Amino acid sequence: DTGVSQDPRHKITKRGQNVTFRCDPISEHNRLYWYRQTLGQGPEFLTYFQNEAQLEKSRLLSDRFSAERPKGSFSTLEIQRTEQGDSAMYLCASSSQARTGSETQYFGPGTRLLVL
Amino acid sequence: AQSVAQPEDQVNVAEGNPLTVKCTYSVSGNPYLFWYVQYPNRGLQFLLKYITGDNLVKGSYGFEAEFNKSQTSFHLKKPSALVSDSALYFCAVRASGYSSASKIIFGSGTRLSIRP
Repeated sequence: DTGVSQDPRHKITKRGQNVTFRCDPISEHNRLYWYRQTLGQGPEFLTYFQNEAQLEKSRLLSDRFSAERPKGSFSTLEIQRTEQGDSAMYLCASSSQARTGSETQYFGPGTRLLVL
Repeated sequence: AQSVAQPEDQVNVAEGNPLTVKCTYSVSGNPYLFWYVQYPNRGLQFLLKYITGDNLVKGSYGFEAEFNKSQTSFHLKKPSALVSDSALYFCAVRASGYSSASKIIFGSGTRLSIRP
């Protein structure tokens, strides 16, 4: 399978715990994105990487959130001191950069987080 | 600022009938427009996109969409609906240009229900 993969698919944690999610993009894609989707809503942009550089972060990404892409391949998203409001589906997407920005983003299956 | 509106939370269609899922957008400059579909507990699957050229764009699974610049719309259509088309559909927009932010702005989604 050459699509975007995410691990784990589901995560249940207690409030205050730290969690880390992993995303493996399509191998030739140099751009990687993280989105958050809550029930009944469309995905909301969190951050994106071009190779290993994190080029943009949303205001949604509080200080408790951090994302890395150390070697320009897989990425991790960590949430520290989780809160019940962090419960959501976390989606990863990747794309191959096009000069005009017209590239398609391909999404992984998502990690569903439930904070108790 | 970029925005997308999907005015219908739900669309109900009988199998075999044509379907339309509406989308309007607001963006500075020329838009790149996308449609994605999401099945339960899954990530988003790319259906089609408009970049430039022909206003009628054909995509996966028999779907097509028509770009209308004067009405700032990008409605998704299919001539004959299938029960398997039942899912959540998202319209998305991104402003064109290399210097534009790479994130895509999604609408809130339209649930399409096809009855046998």
